[in-house]
Amino acid sequence: TQLLEQSPQFLSIQEGENLTVYCNSSSVFSSLQWYRQEPGEGPVLLVTVVTGGEVKKLKRLTFQFGDARKDSSLHITAAQPGDTGLYLCAGGARGGSNYKLTFGKGTLLTVNP
Amino acid sequence: DTGVSQDPRHKITKRGQNVTFRCDPISEHNRLYWYRQTLGQGPEFLTYFQNEAQLEKSRLLSDRFSAERPKGSFSTLEIQRTEQGDSAMYLCASSLRGLTNTEAFFGQGTRLTVV
Repeated sequence: TQLLEQSPQFLSIQEGENLTVYCNSSSVFSSLQWYRQEPGEGPVLLVTVVTGGEVKKLKRLTFQFGDARKDSSLHITAAQPGDTGLYLCAGGARGGSNYKLTFGKGTLLTVNP
Repeated sequence: DTGVSQDPRHKITKRGQNVTFRCDPISEHNRLYWYRQTLGQGPEFLTYFQNEAQLEKSRLLSDRFSAERPKGSFSTLEIQRTEQGDSAMYLCASSLRGLTNTEAFFGQGTRLTVV
């Protein structure tokens, strides 16, 4: 069974601070996706990374996929209250089951004004 | 709006009743998924359709659960004889078949409360 561990589980910071959240596994994934979810809503896809070592930037968000495709990180620069939400990572299974996503439990981020 | 649409957004039902949820995927997507999310957890995979064929069902999907995608477009998820443990957010997602990865786009979910 593939498991994804996310850390920290909770994070509360002040507006303007930088932060990094982590997504780790002992398994290799075909791809890894980051989602943000707000209360009562479905997850919204932020980015997909596929290649080991890949780095993608989305405005103030920087995503990195580990060289071995087992882990990933999300760095937010100068966090804003609008960044508040549950950040979920999800790994795509390898081989013929690559349609199936395994999710971590998420990091609940609160950015205080 | 061309995103994934789910209906209803909220459902409160009494234990033992049957409920049915509907999902309309993004129109050109041939893959459709159902996931379930409980409080404090990430979504868990329930089932997967490619066009109208249901190709995988999780062990989480007991005999009381049935999903269909009759014409390869919208899908329904039915829960018979609901139990309190069925209370959760039911999420539908869709994607295009890809060679190496799946970019799944989720709907807003149906929040089920069994009382």
